[in-house]
Amino acid sequence: QSVLTQPPSASGTSGQRVTIPCSGRGPSIGSNTVNWYQHLPGRAPKLLIYSNNQRPSGVPDRFSGSKSGTSASLAISGLQSDDEADYYCAAWDDSLKGVVFGGGTKLTVL
Amino acid sequence: EVQLVESGGGLVQPGGSLRLSCAPSGFTFSDYWMTWVRQAPGKGLEWLANIKDDGAEKFYVDSVKGRFTISRDNAQNSLYLQMNSLRAEDTALYYCATYATCSGGSCYSLNDAFDIWGQGAMVTVSS
Repeated sequence: QSVLTQPPSASGTSGQRVTIPCSGRGPSIGSNTVNWYQHLPGRAPKLLIYSNNQRPSGVPDRFSGSKSGTSASLAISGLQSDDEADYYCAAWDDSLKGVVFGGGTKLTVL
Repeated sequence: EVQLVESGGGLVQPGGSLRLSCAPSGFTFSDYWMTWVRQAPGKGLEWLANIKDDGAEKFYVDSVKGRFTISRDNAQNSLYLQMNSLRAEDTALYYCATYATCSGGSCYSLNDAFDIWGQGAMVTVSS
């Protein structure tokens, strides 16, 4: 069981906006920033959002992140078929002294 | 080109050992923390270990403490993961990654996010 909790699946139609939540606890999300990764199994994960809401160079502004208390979320607007992937939240956990990942959310574009 | 390339994966018997290597290029390796992350078949991403830029600090997930050792050789531009006492549940695709982010020829640290990843090295533990 992951320290960070995500729904196992999410879906949306092309052009729609979808939100993926991530909940944690005080020592993790409550005390540190949240990062989001997009992953196609067998390929290198891709950083989408860092420091709760910052996009690395090259990531479209369709992707946005937010955090409040011990919860965070990733929003994807203008959904495209290429967005079908697994999405993971991650944060440093002060009590575990390590990085914790959420269990991942498989996004399907209908 | 900024990249990380893992090597050293393969098939090993339970109880055996394996050492993974990670070769960086395109950025100043010795300036950044490095990490290992794995994904077991059908499972999610699992962080394994971090190492500070100078190698002075290391952190591990509980499930590999005492069995895996992260190390680096900044002179040789290499990151390693020594894996001992391997178990079937260690079967996974192992990725190295760094806190560095690079754009337009310049790089800086993202503090706690991994922007540059390798393609992974497969480790299979089976008799």
